Amino acid sequence: AQSVTQLGSHVSVSEGALVLLRCNYSSSVPPYLFWYVQYPNQGLQLLLKYTSAATLVKGINGFEAEFKKSETSFHLTKPSAHMSDAAEYFCAVNGGTSYGKLTFGQGTILTVHP
Amino acid sequence: ETGVTQTPRHLVMGMTNKKSLKCEQHLGHNAMYWYKQSAKKPLELMFVYSLEERVENNSVPSRFSPECPNSSHLFLHLHTLQPEDSALYLCASSQDGQGRTEAFFGQGTRLTVV
Repeated sequence: AQSVTQLGSHVSVSEGALVLLRCNYSSSVPPYLFWYVQYPNQGLQLLLKYTSAATLVKGINGFEAEFKKSETSFHLTKPSAHMSDAAEYFCAVNGGTSYGKLTFGQGTILTVHP
Repeated sequence: ETGVTQTPRHLVMGMTNKKSLKCEQHLGHNAMYWYKQSAKKPLELMFVYSLEERVENNSVPSRFSPECPNSSHLFLHLHTLQPEDSALYLCASSQDGQGRTEAFFGQGTRLTVV
């Protein structure tokens, strides 16, 4: 069984501030982990993924995430928020099952204030 | 055309209507998926196809009927839907259907059942 918990359904930051979106997972096998972003009326776009290589993963648009097995976490960060980062972010896990079956968290809406 | 394309983008249908959602991927992938995204709920995996065979059906009601005629096309046939079926329906594809490979999503079809 696998599950994802995103702490905080809404996060608000000022432009230029640090972005931290939290994700904790549960998986019975070593997981593959993903962060996706969704802009209004759009599909999901991959930001980055962890597939058991480096624990610090760099993605697009200046985002990165660190896999911490001891904490079962995969938090998403960006040093300096930009207005264009405002969107909904989803953490997802594939606990080694076949066919790319992803289990998603409930999503975190990021608001960026000028 | 590249990526995953879904049509129509918006659909309003009555409860007695029959309609179909179409998804086409131009990525050469061999696994395709239907997800349902409802307000205030996590994305729900509905169906998984690998090499044109349905490999997973997540207890989806029979009023939703998928069809995968080839590895590039996926349909979702709808009939006798309920208002609670109103949601964003997302199609995705991935290579090999393996957990480590990310899913690429279409922009979705916004379905409203009246």
